[in-house]
Amino acid sequence: SQQGEEDPQALSIQEGENATMNCSYKTSINNLQWYRQNSGRGLVHLILIRSNEREKHSGRLRVTLDTSKKSSSLLITASRAADTASYFCATQRSGGGADGLTFGKGTHLIIQP
Amino acid sequence: KAGVTQTPRYLIKTRGQQVTLSCSPISGHRSVSWYQQTPGQGLQFLFEYFSETQRNKGNFPGRFSGRQFSNSRSEMNVSTLELGDSALYLCASSLEGLKAEAFFGQGTRLTVV
Repeated sequence: SQQGEEDPQALSIQEGENATMNCSYKTSINNLQWYRQNSGRGLVHLILIRSNEREKHSGRLRVTLDTSKKSSSLLITASRAADTASYFCATQRSGGGADGLTFGKGTHLIIQP
Repeated sequence: KAGVTQTPRYLIKTRGQQVTLSCSPISGHRSVSWYQQTPGQGLQFLFEYFSETQRNKGNFPGRFSGRQFSNSRSEMNVSTLELGDSALYLCASSLEGLKAEAFFGQGTRLTVV
């Protein structure tokens, strides 16, 4: 079953604009990760944020985590055409659950040149 | 450092046959996880192996099995293939297992006809 739910399901913006994607989840987690996938290929790890962290940056990426609301957001600043991809959040449940990483359905981001 | 390698990249099988997929993790990584990705169900966790032992298992029938060798390479086997097994199968390797960042291979696209 899906734990993470990304919002929106699809997003189309102009190159140079910022893109924000949200993720909600249901259970307590150890960490939350964001991945990018281009056209049905492998997933590329973007960033991991632990449950005791609130914000993390990596280059043009900014991730926030609000464990009280069970939600996270991924901000991509100054978007480029190469950022066109599907973005997934993945959670690892705390408490020793045997779920592996639980992924949402993803946000499909299109950057218009 | 070489990434995660999955072979083969594409596979076409007939219903009722069996298939074996292979995954070579990043050197030094002892955890290998397998995921199934379909348009309808998204990314779903199959199982995780760590140091040759299955440590976690998702909610898949017994037709899906795996193993890990002493060099951390892993294989996944699906017996008595069904049309619904058509999917992209992704392997991920990690240093510490499910609580750490996972690095994915390009996947094996399996088509069952």
